[in-house]
Amino acid sequence: QKEVEQDPGPLSVPEGAIVSLNCTYSNSAFQYFMWYRQYSRKGPELLMYTYSSGNKEDGRFTAQVDKSSKYISLFIRDSQPSDSATYLCAIESGGYQKVTFGTGTKLQVIP
Amino acid sequence: ETGVTQSPTHLIKTRGQQVTLRCSSQSGHNTVSWYQQALGQGPQFIFQYYREEENGRGNFPPRFSGLQFPNYSSELNVNALELDDSALYLCASSRPDIEAGELFFGEGSRLTVL
Repeated sequence: QKEVEQDPGPLSVPEGAIVSLNCTYSNSAFQYFMWYRQYSRKGPELLMYTYSSGNKEDGRFTAQVDKSSKYISLFIRDSQPSDSATYLCAIESGGYQKVTFGTGTKLQVIP
Repeated sequence: ETGVTQSPTHLIKTRGQQVTLRCSSQSGHNTVSWYQQALGQGPQFIFQYYREEENGRGNFPPRFSGLQFPNYSSELNVNALELDDSALYLCASSRPDIEAGELFFGEGSRLTVL
């Protein structure tokens, strides 16, 4: 079983839509959860960071962690064409900052 | 503040050859991690260097090796290249005192093995 599972998509939505991206993870010991965004031909950049359970909001982006179901979500409100990218969920299991990434979901926001 | 820079950006090698990829970490960052990203996949952890020592390794064979220099820059070396080594190789820098999992990535070196 993979440590992090993510639907690769692709996901195509109209501009202004609410986008929901999801991942599951296998090890209940994981404490640190991240979402990275990767534009085409670029390296990933950290978008959202959450420690343990709960929600975290940053502008149009909300990250949610449900440790009871081992579920990680990213919501994008009022999606924009500039949000078109691959979104990677990631976990850090503690220790030396080894980060395990999901497969990535490719999102396209159509004007 | 200078970001993470990697070189070369693209290269083509043939099976059996050796390759060296280079990375300069972000200013003030003393930890460098290397990741392999195959097409359509998420990055996979190769190894991390801290204070010029390997500080953790993923599920990659010994022909993947690395170095970190006193200025925190790093090299990734891959010997006896195989076709499956074709991928984007990403370098990420960080500091132990920042949020766990907060990595700053370069734009990567795209390796094609023929």
